[in-house]
Amino acid sequence: KQEVTQIPAALSVPEGENLVLNCSFTDSAIYNLQWFRQDPGKGLTSLLLIQSSQREQTSGRLNASLDKSSGRSTLYIAASQPGDSATYLCAAPSGAGSYQLTFGKGTKLSVIP
Amino acid sequence: GAVVSQHPSWVICKSGTSVKIECRSLDFQATTMFWYRQFPKQSLMLMATSNEGSKATYEQGVEKDKFLINHASLTLSTLTVTSAHPEDSSFYICSAEGGNTDTQYFGPGTRLTVL
Repeated sequence: KQEVTQIPAALSVPEGENLVLNCSFTDSAIYNLQWFRQDPGKGLTSLLLIQSSQREQTSGRLNASLDKSSGRSTLYIAASQPGDSATYLCAAPSGAGSYQLTFGKGTKLSVIP
Repeated sequence: GAVVSQHPSWVICKSGTSVKIECRSLDFQATTMFWYRQFPKQSLMLMATSNEGSKATYEQGVEKDKFLINHASLTLSTLTVTSAHPEDSSFYICSAEGGNTDTQYFGPGTRLTVL
């Protein structure tokens, strides 16, 4: 059974700092991994999708990496802004060949102006 | 912790038929539920936001008459795909937001295949 863990659960940083969010998963037989952003009371916003054949994906100030062998993914946010404050979730397929997703509990990020 | 279930976990249907997917919050009351879909090799995309007792809010490009959402109770929301076609084949996932927090809890998803 896939388990996804995100560390830290919460993070507070001053504006402008670079930061890294961590995600680990127990079943590395995944075909992709996804990072999402969640704002209070709103649905998820997809940030990055990394296929198993890729090692990283970049979108603007965001960079996500995937290391299947170690069961880890990181989301790097450069030059953080107050608007980045949100909960960030990673999700991995629930098992080999599974189309169901297992979500981490998220990291709540606060960027202080 | 809070658990969200979906039923069925997978379904195969013929083109033109309607399919209902249930999303239940098992141990908490969900004032808001969200429905998403994910096509192969694409990201999960929000379809609609459902508040108990009111009409769902659909995202741009999602046909509200095709994807009927009913959130009649605080523990159950349903998504009905009406007159399903092969292009509706996708992975549908719901999430539920607890009344006192802004944390969302996700169901395991439903795989729909339309022949």
